[in-house]
Amino acid sequence: AQSVTQLDSQVPVFEEAPVELRCNYSSSVSVYLFWYVQYPNQGLQLLLKYLSGSTLVESINGFEAEFNKSQTSFHLRKPSVHISDTAEYFCAVSTNAGNNRKLIWGLGTSLAVNP
Amino acid sequence: GAVVSQHPSWVICKSGTSVKIECRSLDFQATTMFWYRQFPKQSLMLMATSNEGSKATYEQGVEKDKFLINHASLTLSTLTVTSAHPEDSSFYICSAQGAAHSQETQYFGPGTRLLVL
Repeated sequence: AQSVTQLDSQVPVFEEAPVELRCNYSSSVSVYLFWYVQYPNQGLQLLLKYLSGSTLVESINGFEAEFNKSQTSFHLRKPSVHISDTAEYFCAVSTNAGNNRKLIWGLGTSLAVNP
Repeated sequence: GAVVSQHPSWVICKSGTSVKIECRSLDFQATTMFWYRQFPKQSLMLMATSNEGSKATYEQGVEKDKFLINHASLTLSTLTVTSAHPEDSSFYICSAQGAAHSQETQYFGPGTRLLVL
């Protein structure tokens, strides 16, 4: 069985500061890894994902995450955050087998960017 | 691409009535759709997985007679909350996964907020 741990439930940070949202997972099989973002009162948007290939993946709005197999981590980083990055961030994993790839979710990290 | 819509976005109903929520994949065919429930300040709880043309698979603890799921076409799935009660008030979110549009990835709708009075 898979599990996901997001180590920080809340991360307060000042605007233009760097941020890292941590995600660790456990699995006995190969996995796909995802970060989703949820703005207040909205659904989830895919931020970035790792399926295979390069372990460093990037999103269009400046976030990046690195898949580290030895540390079973997929931490999300941004070198300089904006007020508009304030949101809930969810890390999720799924197995890369079968047709119905259920997502296993972390509990979420609330990123609060302050001016 | 990979746009998923939900309707309605908000619904308020009286206790005992049934509410239907629609989930549509607008620009791809969704072989699998997922229904989630989210409580305030919490993560998503998977309720059920539905494949087009077959019965939904419910997660443990989810009442299949209470939450009826129909996936009649490759672009539409519906969730009907039958005989709704105040404890059913929640944020319901669907997601869709399609073979032709990155079958590994779930794309989410904007959610439906249900309030049962």
